[in-house]
Amino acid sequence: EVQLVESGGGLVHPGGSLRLSCAASGFTFSNYVMNWVRQAPGRGLKWVSTISSGGGNTFYVDSVKGRFTVSRDNSKNTLYLQMNSLRAEDTAVYYCAKVIGYYGSGTYSEAFDLWGQGTMVTVS
Amino acid sequence: EIMMTQSPATLSVSPGERATLSCRASQSVSSSLAWYQQKPGQAPRLLIYGASTRATGIPARFSGSGSGTEFTLTISSLQSEDSAVYYCQQHNVWPRTFGQGTRVEIK
Repeated sequence: EVQLVESGGGLVHPGGSLRLSCAASGFTFSNYVMNWVRQAPGRGLKWVSTISSGGGNTFYVDSVKGRFTVSRDNSKNTLYLQMNSLRAEDTAVYYCAKVIGYYGSGTYSEAFDLWGQGTMVTVS
Repeated sequence: EIMMTQSPATLSVSPGERATLSCRASQSVSSSLAWYQQKPGQAPRLLIYGASTRATGIPARFSGSGSGTEFTLTISSLQSEDSAVYYCQQHNVWPRTFGQGTRVEIK
């Protein structure tokens, strides 16, 4: 089955750290750009970070730069998000998401076509 | 940062009627625009990518149009299961940005 399963969320004090994991199955994980998206309680979706298929390129929203680090282990089909210096405003459900990648006759899209169920991070 | 503005905030539509959702980008995103549906307690689901291509398994009553800065998601004949929040997202430039969402209610 094609799926993403997040884990590692929980309750942490301000200034603390947490590492999220996203286990991928049912597709060739190493071929795809991967993302983290978060959603604060009752709020909308916010993109957090992206990592290239090989892991060599990473991108972050300004509010987490210098505090969060995205990484991947393609041998384990797993995506990670290391979150340090956590703040109350980081409280959210964190989703991992896969991009479409190449489709049709060579067209490429980075829309998010597969999402995990989310893991809740509470900073309090 | 590209701002994505969705309207209206809430849309109340009778079953079988048409629902039209708008998304405006603060600068051109070409056709790098996706629409997602999110129901309570669930992860988002991709509906439309490339501004107008339906994702796998998405019913034909969902359609997308537009390019540049103005985009539309149309639900041609609203079903009860379409009650959800709908988000647009640009993936043309960094940072990726989402609209604030449109809540579709069944009248």
